[in-house]
Amino acid sequence: GAVVSQHPSRVICKSGTSVKIECRSLDFQATTMFWYRQFPKQSLMLMATSNEGSKATYEQGVEKDKFLINHASLTLSTLTVTSAHPEDSSFYICSASKTGWNQPQHFGDGTRLSIL
Amino acid sequence: DAKTTQPNSMESNEEEPVHLPCNHSTISGTDYIHWYRQLPSQGPEYVIHGLTSNVNNRMASLAIAEDRKSSTLILHRATLRDAAVYYCILRDASFGNEKLTFGTGTRLTIIP
Repeated sequence: GAVVSQHPSRVICKSGTSVKIECRSLDFQATTMFWYRQFPKQSLMLMATSNEGSKATYEQGVEKDKFLINHASLTLSTLTVTSAHPEDSSFYICSASKTGWNQPQHFGDGTRLSIL
Repeated sequence: DAKTTQPNSMESNEEEPVHLPCNHSTISGTDYIHWYRQLPSQGPEYVIHGLTSNVNNRMASLAIAEDRKSSTLILHRATLRDAAVYYCILRDASFGNEKLTFGTGTRLTIIP
């Protein structure tokens, strides 16, 4: 089946550090990938839609200068949390779907980010 | 986005069938009903989706009401590995592979 790989699985770093998270579609090409954030005991909240070769589309309330998204190829999207602070600590999850109509989303295993 | 309503939590005994309900009274004609589940500390996993007819796959069955205002995800024989949060999501297929909007889901506990 379709596989989406996310790296790293866990990051612990100091406040003020920038952190990059990678999302790869291993066996299919994805023109669109999605980035979600999930706080403890809450549901997934969509942050942005990553579009290959163009700018990402951010959801309302998500700072595009804080969460930089780059989708440089059909199999890789990256999310960079710039100057991270403790309130950015969360579980970040990406997803992608195969090209075609009404395809299901395939999710990575998530990145748990802890800012000290 | 059309909204879904699910019970916050359910319990079921191991090796018994589980019926997870979802209400979506404001569903539109182009909305597909999707189900995903999320195991602890993992990303969500696709389970099944359908439009009008009942659907079966290796993981589960999806029963859709005739008026499409509700649906039920059926796990035929629950195992401990089925303990997860199950999300019922409406997705408008007229826009292609649109984003998913997650609600609070149903937390399923399996009792050994």
